[in-house]
Amino acid sequence: KNEVEQSPQNLTAQEGEFITINCSYSVGISALHWLQQHPGGGIVSLFMLSSGKKKHGRLIATINIQEKHSSLHITASHPRDSAVYICAVRSGTGNQFYFGTGTSLTVIP
Amino acid sequence: KAGVTQTPRYLIKTRGQQVTLSCSPISGHRSVSWYQQTPGQGLQFLFEYFSETQRNKGNFPGRFSGRQFSNSRSEMNVSTLELGDSALYLCASSLSGWETQYFGPGTRLLVL
Repeated sequence: KNEVEQSPQNLTAQEGEFITINCSYSVGISALHWLQQHPGGGIVSLFMLSSGKKKHGRLIATINIQEKHSSLHITASHPRDSAVYICAVRSGTGNQFYFGTGTSLTVIP
Repeated sequence: KAGVTQTPRYLIKTRGQQVTLSCSPISGHRSVSWYQQTPGQGLQFLFEYFSETQRNKGNFPGRFSGRQFSNSRSEMNVSTLELGDSALYLCASSLSGWETQYFGPGTRLLVL
Protein backbone atom coordinates (compact mmCIF):
# COMPACT_ATOMS: atom_id res chain seq x y z
CA LYS A 1 0.00 0.00 0.00
CA ASN A 2 1.35 3.42 -0.96
CA GLU A 3 1.13 6.11 1.64
CA VAL A 4 1.05 8.76 -1.12
CA GLU A 5 -0.95 8.47 -4.33
CA GLN A 6 -0.68 10.89 -7.24
CA SER A 7 -2.83 11.37 -10.28
CA PRO A 8 -2.58 11.47 -13.15
CA GLN A 9 0.64 9.51 -13.81
CA ASN A 10 1.11 11.17 -17.19
CA LEU A 11 -0.25 14.41 -18.51
CA THR A 12 0.10 16.12 -21.88
CA ALA A 13 -1.14 19.67 -22.28
CA GLN A 14 -1.11 22.40 -24.88
CA GLU A 15 0.81 25.54 -24.04
CA GLY A 16 -1.41 27.94 -22.12
CA GLU A 17 -3.64 25.31 -20.55
CA PHE A 18 -4.49 25.19 -16.85
CA ILE A 19 -3.06 22.06 -15.24
CA THR A 20 -3.97 20.26 -12.02
CA ILE A 21 -2.03 17.45 -10.37
CA ASN A 22 -3.56 15.68 -7.38
CA CYS A 23 -2.01 14.05 -4.35
CA SER A 24 -3.75 11.97 -1.68
CA TYR A 25 -2.05 10.57 1.39
CA SER A 26 -3.04 8.14 4.11
CA VAL A 27 -0.81 9.10 7.04
CA GLY A 28 -0.92 11.97 9.46
CA ILE A 29 1.55 14.57 8.30
CA SER A 30 3.54 17.48 9.60
CA ALA A 31 4.18 18.86 6.11
CA LEU A 32 3.60 18.17 2.43
CA HIS A 33 6.11 19.03 -0.29
CA TRP A 34 5.75 19.46 -4.02
CA LEU A 35 8.94 18.73 -5.94
CA GLN A 36 9.87 19.25 -9.58
CA GLN A 37 12.35 16.98 -11.33
CA HIS A 38 13.72 17.75 -14.77
CA PRO A 39 15.36 15.18 -17.06
CA GLY A 40 18.86 14.56 -15.76
CA GLY A 41 17.69 14.19 -12.20
CA GLY A 42 17.87 17.61 -10.55
CA ILE A 43 15.10 18.14 -7.99
CA VAL A 44 13.73 21.52 -6.96
CA SER A 45 11.40 22.00 -4.04
CA LEU A 46 8.42 24.07 -5.22
CA PHE A 47 6.29 24.28 -2.09
CA MET A 48 6.14 23.12 1.48
CA LEU A 49 2.63 23.19 2.95
CA SER A 50 1.07 22.36 6.26
CA SER A 51 -2.23 24.14 5.67
CA GLY A 52 -4.10 26.37 3.23
CA LYS A 53 -2.70 27.59 -0.02
CA LYS A 54 0.56 28.96 -1.42
CA LYS A 55 1.27 30.75 -4.69
CA HIS A 56 4.52 31.33 -6.50
CA GLY A 57 4.30 32.86 -9.93
CA ARG A 58 2.12 30.63 -12.10
CA LEU A 59 2.16 27.81 -9.54
CA ILE A 60 -0.45 27.35 -6.83
CA ALA A 61 -0.51 24.59 -4.21
CA THR A 62 -3.39 23.81 -1.91
CA ILE A 63 -3.87 21.34 0.89
CA ASN A 64 -6.95 20.03 2.71
CA ILE A 65 -5.76 18.41 5.91
CA GLN A 66 -9.17 16.92 6.78
CA GLU A 67 -9.48 15.23 3.39
CA LYS A 68 -5.76 14.36 3.23
CA HIS A 69 -5.50 15.83 -0.23
CA SER A 70 -3.34 18.37 -2.00
CA SER A 71 -3.38 19.84 -5.49
CA LEU A 72 -0.73 21.55 -7.56
CA HIS A 73 -2.04 23.93 -10.21
CA ILE A 74 -0.08 25.45 -13.08
CA THR A 75 -1.73 28.38 -14.80
CA ALA A 76 -0.84 29.33 -18.38
CA SER A 77 1.39 26.28 -18.82
CA HIS A 78 4.61 26.62 -20.80
CA PRO A 79 6.92 24.02 -22.41
CA ARG A 80 9.54 24.76 -19.74
CA ASP A 81 7.06 23.38 -17.18
CA SER A 82 7.62 19.93 -18.71
CA ALA A 83 9.01 17.84 -15.88
CA VAL A 84 8.05 15.21 -13.33
CA TYR A 85 6.14 16.58 -10.35
CA ILE A 86 6.43 14.62 -7.12
CA CYS A 87 4.32 14.89 -4.00
CA ALA A 88 6.07 14.04 -0.72
CA VAL A 89 4.85 14.00 2.86
CA ARG A 90 6.65 14.05 6.16
CA SER A 91 4.71 11.90 8.61
CA GLY A 92 3.64 13.44 11.87
CA THR A 93 4.82 10.42 13.83
CA GLY A 94 8.16 8.81 13.13
CA ASN A 95 9.23 11.69 10.90
CA GLN A 96 9.35 9.46 7.85
CA PHE A 97 9.26 10.84 4.33
CA TYR A 98 6.93 9.19 1.83
CA PHE A 99 6.85 9.96 -1.88
CA GLY A 100 4.31 9.68 -4.65
CA THR A 101 5.37 8.03 -7.89
CA GLY A 102 5.31 11.32 -9.73
CA THR A 103 3.31 12.92 -12.54
CA SER A 104 5.12 13.29 -15.83
CA LEU A 105 3.98 16.52 -17.49
CA THR A 106 4.64 17.39 -21.11
CA VAL A 107 3.57 20.80 -22.38
CA ILE A 108 3.41 21.05 -26.16
CA PRO A 109 4.04 24.42 -27.86
CA LYS B 1 25.44 30.94 -1.55
CA ALA B 2 26.74 27.75 -3.07
CA GLY B 3 24.18 25.00 -3.48
CA VAL B 4 24.28 21.45 -2.23
CA THR B 5 27.14 19.52 -3.75
CA GLN B 6 27.53 15.78 -4.06
CA THR B 7 30.59 13.78 -4.98
CA PRO B 8 31.23 11.79 -6.98
CA ARG B 9 28.57 12.41 -9.62
CA TYR B 10 28.94 9.01 -11.24
CA LEU B 11 30.27 5.76 -9.91
CA ILE B 12 30.59 2.22 -11.21
CA LYS B 13 31.15 -0.60 -8.72
CA THR B 14 30.90 -4.37 -8.76
CA ARG B 15 28.80 -6.59 -6.53
CA GLY B 16 30.25 -7.10 -3.08
CA GLN B 17 32.21 -3.87 -3.03
CA GLN B 18 31.43 -0.96 -0.78
CA VAL B 19 30.94 2.69 -1.67
CA THR B 20 31.00 6.03 0.13
CA LEU B 21 29.12 9.04 -1.17
CA SER B 22 29.61 12.58 0.06
CA CYS B 23 27.23 15.51 0.46
CA SER B 24 28.13 19.09 1.33
CA PRO B 25 25.08 21.09 2.44
CA ILE B 26 24.39 24.75 1.94
CA SER B 27 26.36 26.83 4.43
CA GLY B 28 24.42 27.17 7.67
CA HIS B 29 22.20 24.16 7.03
CA ARG B 30 22.43 21.58 9.78
CA SER B 31 20.03 18.96 8.47
CA VAL B 32 21.01 16.56 5.71
CA SER B 33 18.69 13.89 4.33
CA TRP B 34 19.54 11.09 1.92
CA TYR B 35 17.24 9.52 -0.66
CA GLN B 36 17.45 6.69 -3.16
CA GLN B 37 15.69 6.95 -6.51
CA THR B 38 15.15 3.98 -8.83
CA PRO B 39 12.86 3.53 -11.83
CA GLY B 40 10.99 0.75 -10.03
CA GLN B 41 10.61 2.14 -6.52
CA GLY B 42 10.79 5.87 -7.17
CA LEU B 43 12.10 8.08 -4.40
CA GLN B 44 12.67 6.49 -1.01
CA PHE B 45 13.90 8.03 2.22
CA LEU B 46 17.15 6.63 3.58
CA PHE B 47 17.99 8.71 6.64
CA GLU B 48 18.25 12.20 8.07
CA TYR B 49 21.09 13.68 10.09
CA PHE B 50 20.99 16.75 12.27
CA SER B 51 23.90 18.06 14.30
CA GLU B 52 25.91 14.86 13.77
CA THR B 53 23.06 12.62 14.99
CA GLN B 54 20.86 10.35 12.94
CA ARG B 55 17.37 11.66 13.58
CA ASN B 56 15.30 9.45 11.31
CA LYS B 57 15.82 6.31 9.29
CA GLY B 58 13.88 4.79 6.43
CA ASN B 59 13.24 1.13 5.77
CA PHE B 60 16.61 0.06 4.37
CA PRO B 61 18.90 -2.77 5.45
CA GLY B 62 21.85 -2.17 7.73
CA ARG B 63 24.20 -2.20 4.72
CA PHE B 64 23.17 1.41 4.28
CA SER B 65 24.72 3.71 6.84
CA GLY B 66 25.67 7.32 7.15
CA ARG B 67 27.27 9.92 9.30
CA GLN B 68 27.48 13.66 9.64
CA PHE B 69 30.51 15.68 10.58
CA SER B 70 30.77 18.79 12.74
CA ASN B 71 30.76 21.00 9.62
CA SER B 72 27.43 19.37 8.61
CA ARG B 73 28.96 17.52 5.67
CA SER B 74 27.52 14.07 5.41
CA GLU B 75 28.58 10.74 3.98
CA MET B 76 26.60 7.64 3.26
CA ASN B 77 28.10 4.22 2.91
CA VAL B 78 26.73 1.11 1.26
CA SER B 79 28.54 -2.10 2.02
CA THR B 80 28.36 -5.40 0.15
CA LEU B 81 26.81 -3.83 -2.92
CA GLU B 82 24.00 -5.62 -4.73
CA LEU B 83 22.78 -5.11 -8.28
CA GLY B 84 19.59 -3.60 -6.88
CA ASP B 85 21.57 -0.80 -5.25
CA SER B 86 22.04 0.78 -8.68
CA ALA B 87 20.24 4.08 -8.31
CA LEU B 88 20.45 7.83 -8.14
CA TYR B 89 21.37 8.86 -4.60
CA LEU B 90 20.23 12.33 -3.65
CA CYS B 91 20.94 14.38 -0.61
CA ALA B 92 19.07 17.45 0.52
CA SER B 93 19.81 20.04 3.15
CA SER B 94 17.75 22.46 5.19
CA LEU B 95 18.29 24.70 8.18
CA SER B 96 16.85 22.36 10.79
CA GLY B 97 14.92 19.75 8.79
CA TRP B 98 11.54 21.46 9.08
CA GLU B 99 11.90 23.90 6.21
CA THR B 100 12.19 23.74 2.42
CA GLN B 101 14.81 21.20 1.39
CA TYR B 102 17.47 21.99 -1.18
CA PHE B 103 18.57 19.03 -3.25
CA GLY B 104 21.97 18.20 -4.63
CA PRO B 105 22.48 16.97 -8.20
CA GLY B 106 22.79 13.36 -7.05
CA THR B 107 25.29 10.56 -7.42
CA ARG B 108 24.43 7.98 -10.04
CA LEU B 109 25.66 4.57 -8.87
CA LEU B 110 25.83 1.59 -11.19
CA VAL B 111 26.55 -1.82 -9.67
CA LEU B 112 27.75 -4.47 -12.12
